[in-house]
Amino acid sequence: GAVVSQHPSWVICKSGTSVKIECRSLDFQATTMFWYRQFPKQSLMLMATSNEGSKATYEQGVEKDKFLINHASLTLSTLTVTSAHPEDSSFYICSANGQGEYNEQFFGPGTRLTVL
Amino acid sequence: GESVGLHLPTLSVQEGDNSIINCAYSNSASDYFIWYKQESGKGPQFIIDIRSNMDKRQGQRVTVLLNKTVKHLSLQIAATQPGDSAVYFCAENPPGDYKLSFGAGTTVTVRA
Repeated sequence: GAVVSQHPSWVICKSGTSVKIECRSLDFQATTMFWYRQFPKQSLMLMATSNEGSKATYEQGVEKDKFLINHASLTLSTLTVTSAHPEDSSFYICSANGQGEYNEQFFGPGTRLTVL
Repeated sequence: GESVGLHLPTLSVQEGDNSIINCAYSNSASDYFIWYKQESGKGPQFIIDIRSNMDKRQGQRVTVLLNKTVKHLSLQIAATQPGDSAVYFCAENPPGDYKLSFGAGTTVTVRA
């Protein structure tokens, strides 16, 4: 149980284009999902908290118009990187909250984005 | 803001030996701590967690120790295997907050 998937697992795009990444909770409902960014040999940096049916909450320094987040259902959140640039190349990871009393987060396998 | 940090960025261990990975956390109000394992190119994988009302918790080949007095967390891996080679992150969760704060990570390399 508690499986989170991401699609695609990797994507290469040209500068200026937009890329959408999907995050799905496969066997549970997640009212809250999180999007992280991870550069090589660094830790996970929280970008935003995605709540089903409401606007995402972005961390300080993360451009909400650049990284569009939509959480349309209890099992799906999407992250769209708009007008991508080479510096947006990174590993994007989502996680979803479990149903337990504490914050049990289950992570997706990540999406490697390369912007040429 | 406050964040979780790790004492050592890398750890090299002989196969079969025990590994100890340390973590210092800053927020004394945090009441939930988790250890994650991340292999190259993959998402973090849950290893073990501990609540602040405990000081030790054991899993299969892993033990987490929590010392709230000095705000220190450690992960012990018994009989380390090649498959344990990965980056290990500790994360903390303050009460009333769903967000996790991650430490910098320790890279564990197992020598055959």
